[in-house]
Amino acid sequence: AQSVTQLGSHVSVSEGALVLLRCNYSSSVPPYLFWYVQYPNQGLQLLLKYTSAATLVKGINGFEAEFKKSETSFHLTKPSAHMSDAAEYFCAVRGAGNQFYFGTGTSLTVIP
Amino acid sequence: DVKVTQSSRYLVKRTGEKVFLECVQDMDHENMFWYRQDPGLGLRLIYFSYDVKMKEKGDIPEGYSVSREKKERFSLILESASTNQTSMYLCASSILQGSGNTIYFGEGSWLTVV
Repeated sequence: AQSVTQLGSHVSVSEGALVLLRCNYSSSVPPYLFWYVQYPNQGLQLLLKYTSAATLVKGINGFEAEFKKSETSFHLTKPSAHMSDAAEYFCAVRGAGNQFYFGTGTSLTVIP
Repeated sequence: DVKVTQSSRYLVKRTGEKVFLECVQDMDHENMFWYRQDPGLGLRLIYFSYDVKMKEKGDIPEGYSVSREKKERFSLILESASTNQTSMYLCASSILQGSGNTIYFGEGSWLTVV
């Protein structure tokens, strides 16, 4: 079975500070992992995805994530937060049956 | 760019009404999905379909049904709406298989049942 756990439903950072959003996964097959962002009243947009190539994945808007098999983690980072990064972030894993399993989300607040 | 279009962004329905949520994708994707999003619960899969006229139950299918008569269109049906179905509904699509196939979402439909 596949699942993801996002640690911390709310994260606050100051503008210019490091953003770290945590995601741990459980998968019985080699995982395909994703991070999505959701701005208010919108659908989810793909930030980045891991597909078993490079373990460090770079996405849009300066975000990146590192796949660590030993820790079953896929944490999302950005060196310097911007006000426009305030949004809800979802980690997801694709299962063997083409289903996608999402975490419960982390709401990021950026403090000026 | 892939486009997933949900026809209704905001709906208000009465308890007991039959509700149709329509979704169309323009990328010839085999897979289509309906999720429900609630605060603190993330996205929960209601139903998905991997081909025309095919459907599979997700985690919370009770009170819902779906229809896929054409490849590009996937409808979610609430046979008799109830207040606990007030939520945001997200439609999505993806290719059938392939390494790292991505799921693409519509803008969402906010349903309020009164």
